[in-house]
Amino acid sequence: DTAVSQTPKYLVTQMGNDKSIKCEQNLGHDTMYWYKQDSKKFLKIMFSYNNKELIINETVPNRFSPKSPDKAHLNLHINSLELGDSAVYFCASSSRFDYSDTEAFFGQGTRLTVV
Amino acid sequence: GEDVEQSLFLSVREGDSSVINCTYTDSSSTYLYWYKQEPGAGLQLLTYIFSNMDMKQDQRLTVLLNKKDKHLSLRIADTQTGDSAIYFCAGGYNKLIFGAGTRLAVHP
Repeated sequence: DTAVSQTPKYLVTQMGNDKSIKCEQNLGHDTMYWYKQDSKKFLKIMFSYNNKELIINETVPNRFSPKSPDKAHLNLHINSLELGDSAVYFCASSSRFDYSDTEAFFGQGTRLTVV
Repeated sequence: GEDVEQSLFLSVREGDSSVINCTYTDSSSTYLYWYKQEPGAGLQLLTYIFSNMDMKQDQRLTVLLNKKDKHLSLRIADTQTGDSAIYFCAGGYNKLIFGAGTRLAVHP
C-alpha cells in the first residue's frame, strides 16, 4: 500500500531524448509536488499542483512540463534532456497546499542519469 | 528570500546523543519538519513541531524550537548505527524549503 509511488525508479537516457516520470498518490490529497535533489543532496521544489492546477513553478526550464490528469497523478515530462538534468526527482503530496495541517509524503525518488 | 541552514556533518559514538541544528528565515511556517534520508532511499518524515510549540518529544527524538532566534534542533538519544543517514529540516508556507541536510555518522 504505497502512499506515493513513482515510476521508474531508475532512468538512464541519452542527451537530447524526451522522457517522462509518473507519480501517483493514493492518500486522497489535493496537492502534489515535484522536487529535485542534486548530487550534493540539496532538495528544491520544482512544481506544485493543487486540485490539478499549477500553483508553483520555481524557475524551472520550460523543457520540464508537469501534467496532472487528475488529483491523484502528477507526471513530469522532460524534453531535450541535458547532462545537468541528472538528479533524483521526488514526487510528494499533502492534503493542503499551505502545509498548515499535515506533512508532505514523499515517493521513493527517480534517479535520472543523462549520458 | 527563504533560507534554511544546517551544518553538513555530525559524527557521534554509538550510545551518545546527537544534536542536529537548523536555522531558518521564513516565519510563516505552520509546522517545521525533520526528514531522514537513508542511502539510496526516499525521504521519511521523522517528526514535526507546530510553530507555537517550544518542544516536542517522541520516543528517542526531541525537537526544540526557538522562534525568536528561528532555531530548530533535533536531539536523538542513545544514537544507534541505524540512525546513520542524512537529516533535513524543512519549513515553509506553500512549499517546503529544505536545508542542505546534515550527514550523521555513528561509529562504535
